[in-house]
Amino acid sequence: ETGVTQTPRHLVMGMTNKKSLKCEQHLGHNAMYWYKQSAKKPLELMFVYNFKEQTENNSVPSRFSPECPNSSHLFLHLHTLQPEDSALYLCASSQKNRGNSPLHFGNGTRLTVT
Amino acid sequence: GQQLNQSPQSMFIQEGEDVSMNCTSSSIFNTWLWYKQDPGEGPVLLIALYKAGELTSNGRLTAQFGITRKDSFLNISASIPSDVGIYFCAGHNAGNMLTFGGGTRLMVKP
Repeated sequence: ETGVTQTPRHLVMGMTNKKSLKCEQHLGHNAMYWYKQSAKKPLELMFVYNFKEQTENNSVPSRFSPECPNSSHLFLHLHTLQPEDSALYLCASSQKNRGNSPLHFGNGTRLTVT
Repeated sequence: GQQLNQSPQSMFIQEGEDVSMNCTSSSIFNTWLWYKQDPGEGPVLLIALYKAGELTSNGRLTAQFGITRKDSFLNISASIPSDVGIYFCAGHNAGNMLTFGGGTRLMVKP
């Protein structure tokens, strides 16, 4: 039990589909993150939400659309993805007002785009 | 952007051996974090370092925050099969941006 729960764990979707990834944190943190993890590449930060406000969009294509309705929930809406978007998508949370607070990760959603 | 150079990229060792891996950067970091990722799971925090020179242990794991604030190492003593996984370093810079290293894949032969 990591304190950060991601669903679904696995997702296969076609390039014309629309799907959403969900993340919920039970740690009382106030910041949430989306990362992309591809084979043989470092973790790539996609989006940061601090107190439900998006504070960072790391040049992510518009086919990825985040939503943070409250400080415990984070979504990543996907539409018209490309095969190169296949990766492990990791959600994380932290407590931003505690200086350099470590990130706590969920177990990820393994996404395959066909 | 800032880069963390993590080495080695992979290592294949015998059970019982000690392991050492490190991260270096040309930039200064204010914190160093070490994570482990098991197959099919997300990274789990092992050790967090907050002061230059700090040496911290967590069981068989020991990590140090380099005195120059540009490097950190992680040692694992007497490795066991469940140590298998990918180990990531990460660091916060002055602007609180977190950068990850490329990972060290550890394989242990029983």
